[in-house]
Order: sequence, then C-alpha cells, then structure tokens
Amino acid sequence: QPVLTQSSSASASLGSSVKLTCTLSSGHSSYIIAWHQQQPGKAPRYLMKLEGSGIYNKGSGVPDRFSGSSSGADRYLTISNLQSEDEADYYCETWDSNTQVVFGGGTKLTVL
Amino acid sequence: EVQLVESGGGLIQPGGSLRLSCAASGFTVSSNYMSWVRQAPGKGLEWVSVIYSGGNTYYADSVKGRFTISRDNSKNTLYLQMNSLRAEDTAVYYCARGPDSLCIDYWGQGTLVTVSS
Repeated sequence: QPVLTQSSSASASLGSSVKLTCTLSSGHSSYIIAWHQQQPGKAPRYLMKLEGSGIYNKGSGVPDRFSGSSSGADRYLTISNLQSEDEADYYCETWDSNTQVVFGGGTKLTVL
Repeated sequence: EVQLVESGGGLIQPGGSLRLSCAASGFTVSSNYMSWVRQAPGKGLEWVSVIYSGGNTYYADSVKGRFTISRDNSKNTLYLQMNSLRAEDTAVYYCARGPDSLCIDYWGQGTLVTVSS
C-alpha cells in the first residue's frame, strides 16, 4: 500500500517562496495526490489535485500563489509571496483501492 | 455551493455509543464517495471510513467492527455510528466528499468526540 512521507516542519520568510514535498513510496510513483491546508484551529481545506505529470487542478478560491509540480515519486506544493495566513499544516493525501485514503504525516509551515 | 455540516459529537464514557451526522448541500451524497476522517488532539489526519456511491463500505483497521458508515439518500445525509468507544477514539471527526475523483475535495467543519469517564 502507498505511504506518503512529508517533512515535519518548514519555514520561510514573509513574501518569499517555499516548496513543500510529499514523497510516494516505492511502486507508487505514478499515484495522484491531493494537497490540503489546515490553518490553526480550523478544518482542513482542499487546495489541489496533483498528477505525476505535474498537471494540477486547484480547488475553488485557492489563490494563484499556490501551485503544484511533480518529479518521479515526489509531489511538490509551492507557495509564492508567502502571507501570514499561509502559516498552517499541509497534508498530502492519496487513494488506493486496497488501503483507501492515505494521508501523509503533515508539514507544519512557519512564516517568519 | 457545496457544504458539509457535522453534528452529534460530545462527551461519552468508554464503551458507549454515539452517532455522527453530516448534512450535505450543493451536491448529492449518494452520487459521490463520502468519507469520515478524524484528528486526535495535536495529531495528524487519520482516515476512518468511506462509503462508495454504489454502497460499498470500507473501514480503517482501528475501527473495523465498531463503527458503521451509512447514508440517508432522502435526507442527503451521511452518518457514522460509533459503538464500543475507547479513549483513543477521542478526536475531531470530519465529514468529507471523496475520493471518487481520487482525492477528497470538500471538508466539513468537524465535530469533537471526547471519550472519557
């Protein structure tokens, strides 16, 4: 079954860019994933669906500052022109017919 | 506009039962996969259960045999019946649409379940 690996934390300065990584386990490098954002004390919010080709589809109202890309088993979420409200936990998610929904451990993003 | 509104959470003693509801609007529950996801205090997201549009249901090993997912098409509502509750079931429970498009694409606001004596 697929395993999603994320760094536990990341930080970047206000106005800069940051690239978060979600790595798919061996044998699952073609899987589609989704990125979700969870601001402190709030419910998760769907950001985008990201294919292995790098094609991504964002959810309604997601700012242009958020983009996705892929390389092999790695799926990236890039946030440009970081804002204070981008400080949040970011989770990647995938689906498999055997294990159903799988989440990564999440990355806590701090905006300096 | 898609909306998911959970209810039914609360404080319950170990061994007790609780039923969560998720009222949906803006789409038809029975035409989509629908999931329950939980988050224990200070922890990450954990998938709990899914019901497919065709009616198939699946559960995480941690809740299999104790939790039951269902839906009422006439009310456009998703449910999670939770029996034999344990302290480790304490979490915020989120209703979510998906993953029939291979991912979850909408989330509810969550309802807190606390299992404690």
